Amino acid sequence: QVQLQESGPGLVKPSETLSLSCSVSGGSVNSDSYYWSWIRQPPGKGLESIGYIYYSGRTNYNPSLKSRVTISLDTSKNEFSLRLTSVTAADTAVYYCAALECSGATCYFDYWGRGTLVTVSS
Amino acid sequence: DIQMTQSPSSLSASVGDRVTITCQASQDISNYLNWYQQKPGKAPRLLIYDASNLKTGVPSRFSGSGSGTDFTFTVSSLQPEDIATYYCQQFNNLPYTFGQGTKLEIK
Repeated sequence: QVQLQESGPGLVKPSETLSLSCSVSGGSVNSDSYYWSWIRQPPGKGLESIGYIYYSGRTNYNPSLKSRVTISLDTSKNEFSLRLTSVTAADTAVYYCAALECSGATCYFDYWGRGTLVTVSS
Repeated sequence: DIQMTQSPSSLSASVGDRVTITCQASQDISNYLNWYQQKPGKAPRLLIYDASNLKTGVPSRFSGSGSGTDFTFTVSSLQPEDIATYYCQQFNNLPYTFGQGTKLEIK
């Protein structure tokens, strides 16, 4: 069973860069089984996909965030990371890392971290 | 992006009631739809994939149906532990998008 755990600062200043990591246990980020994903949820609101990275390094980002987002892998630590630049208050959210499983034509977010609240404020 | 619209936004029902939530996609997504349950302060949990397939371990009182643009999620007999917000999510096109959620409460 894959387990995911987010880590990183809970407070980021406007215009600065949000950086989060997701530690993976029970599985390897080098595995072709999952697309390692980030999803966020503003307080009291719905879910928004940020993007994913595959073990090959291939990435896909939500066009609404593409100019500011980078997702990367660290195979030595078995983790993946999110960088979001030039943040504003609108980026305040609970950030989840998740394992997207795709088999044939089916895809679903199978495993999730507990989420970490990031507040953008001076 | 494909827009997913759920209704109602909130729903109050009694224990034992049959509850139905609908999800409409802005374009044809075949059966490329999942349903998740999110309890307060927790991460979402996958309940149904491919519109109608129950994930292993999920109680059989949960079900889903539909294809194309219109989908339905049903709880056949509401239990107290089903209090949560439910989200549909399409995986026909990237970016994968979610409905705005339906908050289910007990009367």
